[in-house]
Parts: sequence; structure tokens; C-alpha cells
Amino acid sequence: DAKTTQPTSMDCAEGRAANLPCNHSTISGNEYVYWYRQIHSQGPQYIIHGLKNNETNEMASLIITEDRKSSTLILPHATLRDTAVYYCIVRVEGTYKYIFGTGTRLKVLA
Amino acid sequence: DAEITQSPRHKITETGRQVTLACHQTWNHNNMFWYRQDLGHGLRLIHYSYGVQDTNKGEVSDGYSVSRSNTEDLPLTLESAASSQTSVYFCASSGDTGELFFGEGSRLTVL
Repeated sequence: DAKTTQPTSMDCAEGRAANLPCNHSTISGNEYVYWYRQIHSQGPQYIIHGLKNNETNEMASLIITEDRKSSTLILPHATLRDTAVYYCIVRVEGTYKYIFGTGTRLKVLA
Repeated sequence: DAEITQSPRHKITETGRQVTLACHQTWNHNNMFWYRQDLGHGLRLIHYSYGVQDTNKGEVSDGYSVSRSNTEDLPLTLESAASSQTSVYFCASSGDTGELFFGEGSRLTVL
């Protein structure tokens, strides 16, 4: 299973875009990239996922490089409520097994 | 609305006792998972199931067992609780889209 690498922590000013990077250099062609976030001690919450194309939904955008070795989650206008730990994980197509790393702790500053 | 619930939300037990954490989902999802979360380790997969009567070991399965007798429930059992199993436990389920839905967690303390 492909592993992911993320920075331990990041800060972002309120109202600015938050760009969270993820490295998945060993990803194979049929592995999806998923992003989740965990606020305080709540259960993680799904944000977005993609295979090779860029994706956008009401919460965020996901940019995947052409070689698929890395991706960036973009929160276009970060708010204080976006302060959380963000996890980037990969899922092999046809399986439903997810391996979480330690994530990036994003702090949005007023 | 469909949901996933865990019980108990908080439990204190003694070393050597058997403990069962319940997980119930009304999404009708085939896939269910148990994770534990400790400081510095993120979420680690304990066991998972792809359907009734199917169970699989995850990264940290020693000391834990699960059974899947119906679609809705995946109870997690600690046969003989150890202090190293003090943790927050999360249950999750997913359907064909692959999106995971998590419960609110169960905080277990083993004294």
C-alpha cells in the first residue's frame, strides 16, 4: 500500500487560501487519493477524493500532479473553524482499506 | 438520517478484563473498520470487514477481535485488556464510493 508524507503543521491567516501538500511518490495507477480532517477529538470527516483529475466540491479543491506523486488540498478561504488535523490517504481501487498517517495540523489564525 | 453510533462513549476498566465496544451503522454499508488513535500515531487500523462473516486483521490487531454477524454491527472485543490498549477507538463504515463515515469515538481507559 502506498504511503503518504505530510508536513506536521501549518499556519494560515483567516480568509486566505490554505494549501496543504501531500507526497505519495509510491502511488500506483489504481490508487485514489482521499482527504479527511479531524476537528478536536471528533471522528474524521471526509473532504474530497480524486484519482488523476483535479476535483472541486463545496469544501475544497484537490490538485493532483500529472505524475500523481503528490497532491495539494486547497481550502480557498480558510476560517477559524477549519483549524483541524488534515489527513491525506490513498485507497487501492477495488479495496476499502485505508491507512492513515499522522496528518497535518492546520491552525487558522485570526 | 443514516448514521454510525458507538457505545459506550467512555469506559474505564481494569487490566485483564474483557471489554466489548459496540459499533452500529444504518448506512447499510458492507465495509466496516475499527481504528485506534493515540498521541503521535494518528489513526491505526485494527480490524476491518467487507461483509457478513468476513473479518480481516489490520496494522495493530494483536489483543483485539471482531465478528460480523449482520450488516449493521461490528463489535470490537478486547479479550484481556492491557494498559497499552488505553486509547480512543473509532469505528467507520463505507459503501461503494469509498467515502468513510466515522463514529464519534469511544474513549477507553485500562487501569
